[in-house]
Amino acid sequence: KAGVTQTPRYLIKTRGQQVTLSCSPISGHRSVSWYQQTPGQGLQFLFEYFSETQRNKGNFPGRFSGRQFSNSRSEMNVSTLELGDSALYLCASSTRQADTQYFGPGTRLTVL
Amino acid sequence: AQSVTQLGSHVSVSEGALVLLRCNYSSSVPPYLFWYVQYPNQGLQLLLKYTSAATLVKGINGFEAEFKKSETSFHLTKPSAHMSDAAEYFCAVSDIRDSGYSTLTFGKGTMLLVSP
Repeated sequence: KAGVTQTPRYLIKTRGQQVTLSCSPISGHRSVSWYQQTPGQGLQFLFEYFSETQRNKGNFPGRFSGRQFSNSRSEMNVSTLELGDSALYLCASSTRQADTQYFGPGTRLTVL
Repeated sequence: AQSVTQLGSHVSVSEGALVLLRCNYSSSVPPYLFWYVQYPNQGLQLLLKYTSAATLVKGINGFEAEFKKSETSFHLTKPSAHMSDAAEYFCAVSDIRDSGYSTLTFGKGTMLLVSP
């Protein structure tokens, strides 16, 4: 069974731009969670979707948003990028809410 | 909210030596606990998980962890370190959010360095 895939793997943007990251969960998994990983703050939870509904949201500004489609694929969007948004963005999927999460390789976002 | 504390941001061992990575958690309810490993430029890989069955949990690559409720600990061990074990290790606890749904709260991570 294929693992979690994330596209693109690397992105370079400039301040003020917006970006969309994509995540395809493991087949049969209906829950998708997003995390931001930085050297200073570590792994921080962004949000979780289950059956196209946002179940949980972390403490991030409204510039960070996401959605989930009927096939369980998920996207997250960051608008008006700031230098501090440079990070590794990780997506994880699970069969159902609160189950073991399996992670993708991440998208490395660099904001210049 | 639950929290996880990993003692030591870096741990250095020699190849063949015992690996011990420490994790303490706070939880008001019986927790689910996890250890993940991250190699450079990769995502997180599940090593093992505790879900209130046996207190000694065996994982992949020879790692195991013991759940000790009285000490609120879930330390990760491996009897003999291998060079390929060099990576960053994260302890995580399931966390019930205000929404009533749970997600994972991670510790800050421990970088394991293995010398020949």
